[in-house]
Amino acid sequence: GAVVSQHPSWVICKSGTSVKIECRSLDFQATTMFWYRQFPKQSLMLMATSNEGSKATYEQGVEKDKFLINHASLTLSTLTVTSAHPEDSSFYICSARDKGQGGGEQYFGPGTRLTVT
Amino acid sequence: AQSVAQPEDQVNVAEGNPLTVKCTYSVSGNPYLFWYVQYPNRGLQFLLKYITGDNLVKGSYGFEAEFNKSQTSFHLKKPSALVSDSALYFCAVRPDSSYKLIFGSGTRLLVRP
Repeated sequence: GAVVSQHPSWVICKSGTSVKIECRSLDFQATTMFWYRQFPKQSLMLMATSNEGSKATYEQGVEKDKFLINHASLTLSTLTVTSAHPEDSSFYICSARDKGQGGGEQYFGPGTRLTVT
Repeated sequence: AQSVAQPEDQVNVAEGNPLTVKCTYSVSGNPYLFWYVQYPNRGLQFLLKYITGDNLVKGSYGFEAEFNKSQTSFHLKKPSALVSDSALYFCAVRPDSSYKLIFGSGTRLLVRP
């Protein structure tokens, strides 16, 4: 149980275009999902917290107009990187908190590698 | 400021030997503590967590971690390392007032045959 999927697993796009990444909880309901980015050989940096049915909460320094987050249902959150630039190239990982779990652990997706050319 | 420190960028150990990956934290209150493992180009896999109770927590794949409140540490241990344990390990803390995780910088474990 507690499986989180991401799609796509990797994507290459041209500078100036937009890319959408999906995060799904497959066997549980997730009222809260989190979006992270990870640079090579570095730790995970929390970008935003996504709550079902409400606006996402962005961490300091993260541009909300550039990284659009939508949490339309209890099993799906999307991250859209708008007008992507090469510096947006990174490994994006989502996680989901099980609505029915009080222990607090987050279940992580396999990640999406974005390369902007 | 709340933080998690993993003082070693890399830990090298021979297969069959015990391993320790260190983690200390600076978080107020009674945080939840986690260890995750990451294989190349993959997301994080949950290993174990400490919320309350026994200071020695057992987790997946034979790993365990010892919580030490006075030293604010949560070191990851395994009695006998396997080559397949080679990966990137992250310590994380969840303050008791939040659902956010604060990650350490990660420690690369290399187990040589």
